[in-house]
Amino acid sequence: EAQVTQNPRYLITVTGKKLTVTCSQNMNHEYMSWYRQDPGLGLRQIYYSMNVEVTDKGDVPEGYKVSRKEKRNFPLILESPSPNQTSLYFCASSAFSSSSYNEQFFGPGTRLTVL
Amino acid sequence: RKEVEQDPGPFNVPEGATVAFNCTYSNSASQSFFWYRQDCRKEPKLLMSVYSSGNEDGRFTAQLNRASQYISLLIRDSKLSDSATYLCVVNQGWSGGYQKVTFGTGTKLQVIP
Repeated sequence: EAQVTQNPRYLITVTGKKLTVTCSQNMNHEYMSWYRQDPGLGLRQIYYSMNVEVTDKGDVPEGYKVSRKEKRNFPLILESPSPNQTSLYFCASSAFSSSSYNEQFFGPGTRLTVL
Repeated sequence: RKEVEQDPGPFNVPEGATVAFNCTYSNSASQSFFWYRQDCRKEPKLLMSVYSSGNEDGRFTAQLNRASQYISLLIRDSKLSDSATYLCVVNQGWSGGYQKVTFGTGTKLQVIP
């Protein structure tokens, strides 16, 4: 089954404790992205990657890191989480096209609470 | 002005009703447009693309008005299962080496028995 998986689905942590949210896709997509969703603000892009070893900042990258060592995986790293990073996080992937938008497939989401 | 704006709702409509949502965008150079559906606490999923000439998929009709910079989604004969949040998505084209895609905050629809 074609899918994007994320782990963990739910996480409660404390300020400053490093954490990683994993994301994996099995569709051989080049493009992967991380979003956070907050009430009244919609989905905002954190980081994206157009292929292995190619990553770049989205609209709200502060406090986050990513890596893309393999095509299928795109982990999101919070080195020192703070309460304002409490949010619902989605990973998404799509085939890459230089001429048009391709449908993004989203993972099930990770609900993060930072105390 | 926000890049993409939607009325958050909620729109509470009886089963069988017709309901329409609009979404306005600020960048006149925006290239393509989409509606995604998001069920409560779930991931967004593509509902339909929006073509210049308008397009229909069963009970759903999407339209684009470039002159006034808005897109619309019309749902006919609403079903209880249509209850969800509908996200407007605008592809603004290439920016700094990637396609800039902006999501609206969504319009919540509640279909009532």
